[in-house]
Amino acid sequence: AQSVAQPEDQVNVAEGNPLTVKCTYSVSGNPYLFWYVQYPNRGLQFLLKYITGDNLVKGSYGFEAEFNKSQTSFHLKKPSALVSDSALYFCAVRDNSGGYQKVTFGTGTKLQVIP
Amino acid sequence: NAGVTQTPKFRVLKTGQSMTLLCAQDMNHEYMYWYRQDPGMGLRLIHYSVGEGTTAKGEVPDGYNVSRLKKQNFLLGLESAAPSQTSVYFCASRGYSGQNTEAFFGQGTRLTVV
Repeated sequence: AQSVAQPEDQVNVAEGNPLTVKCTYSVSGNPYLFWYVQYPNRGLQFLLKYITGDNLVKGSYGFEAEFNKSQTSFHLKKPSALVSDSALYFCAVRDNSGGYQKVTFGTGTKLQVIP
Repeated sequence: NAGVTQTPKFRVLKTGQSMTLLCAQDMNHEYMYWYRQDPGMGLRLIHYSVGEGTTAKGEVPDGYNVSRLKKQNFLLGLESAAPSQTSVYFCASRGYSGQNTEAFFGQGTRLTVV
C-alpha cells in the first residue's frame, strides 16, 4: 500500500524568509510525486510534480521540491515566502508499478506567512 | 476555461434524504474521481472511474454510489444521507498520458447532513 505523511499540521514563517513544507512517502515501486495548494473555499491546484530525472523540480509561483529517494522525501521549498502563499498544501503520491490510477494524499499542512 | 465544474456548491440535507452531486469536465479526460475532505484527514477517495461506463470503489465507498454514463460527467449519489457524510466533496479529473499527469479539481461541494 502507498502512503504519504506530512508531519506538520501547520508551518509559520515570516514574510521574506525561506519556507519548507515536509513530505515523506511510502510506495512499493517508483513514485510519482505531486504537490497541490488549496486556498480557502477553493479546490486543489497543481503546483509541481516529480516523475523522473532531475531531483530538484521547479513549479508554479516560485515553488520547488527536492526528491530524495534514500530518505523517501519530497519536501516543498520556496526561497522567499509571500503573505499570499498562506494556504493549505497537500503532498500526493502515485505508485507507477501497477495499473491502478489511485493517488494518495497527505493530510495537508497549513502554511501561515506572517507579515 | 471551465475545467471541472461541481454542482451544487452548498447543500443541507436531513438525515435519510437522498441527493446527487454532479461533476462535469470539459477537458476530455479519461479518469475522474470523487474525494471527501475532512479536517485532519486530508482527501480520501470515495469512487473513481477510468473511462465512460466504468466505476470502481475507493477507500471510503460505503453509503455512496456513482455513475459515468457520459465521459464528461461523473455523478455521486447519496441514497440515505447520514450525519457522518457531512463533509466537503471534491471531484477531480485527469487525462491519460502515460501515468504521470496531474489532476484538476473542482471547487468543491460543502454538504451538511442534519
